[in-house]
Amino acid sequence: QQQVKQSPQSLIVQKGGISIINCAYENTAFDYFPWYQQFPGKGPALLIAIRPDVSEKKEGRFTISFNKSAKQFSLHIMDSQPGDSATYFCAASMRGFQKLVFGTGTRLLVSP
Amino acid sequence: GAGVSQSPSNKVTEKGKDVELRCDPISGHTALYWYRQSLGQGLEFLIYFQGNSAPDKSGLPSDRFSAERTGGSVSTLTIQRTQQEDSAVYLCASSSRDSISNEQFFGPGTRLTVL
Repeated sequence: QQQVKQSPQSLIVQKGGISIINCAYENTAFDYFPWYQQFPGKGPALLIAIRPDVSEKKEGRFTISFNKSAKQFSLHIMDSQPGDSATYFCAASMRGFQKLVFGTGTRLLVSP
Repeated sequence: GAGVSQSPSNKVTEKGKDVELRCDPISGHTALYWYRQSLGQGLEFLIYFQGNSAPDKSGLPSDRFSAERTGGSVSTLTIQRTQQEDSAVYLCASSSRDSISNEQFFGPGTRLTVL
């Protein structure tokens, strides 16, 4: 119930392509869904987040799509760039419980 | 402004020794979290401090793990009688209680290696 399942484990995309990472959850009490980006040797940094009252949120080249009925959410990176090469984590938390439950991560490599 | 800082950045210890990991959160942040990141794995929640409330220790894997937060600021994670399976990166994060977004700001982590 507490798990967040993330796929794929790794992803290779050509420069300019679209990167798509998917996550699924079981606990319907989750109400906050962030994506974190992590570069080697650094801590994760918040990229974009969504709450379940909207189905999509866009910030620049990054978009979260949220499907409440399917309990799935995904990250789309448009016009992927080599600088986007990093590990991406989806996460979820419940109202009043701020600890985050993380997916297992996706290592993205954008080839030049 | 200064972000979350952690020390040491790397720690190598022998099995059975005790270790202490330190976290300095962002000034003014009332919430502090510890997570563990094992090789190739996601982040595993360990413990959460919010102001003067009792900490949420539900993620601590065994009684060898403990943490304290003094004066509502600096936190220390202590691992007693370390085991090889404790080898991981230990990440600290902080957030503002007033933050609607619940954004957690992470430090760079302490890489712990138990030989």
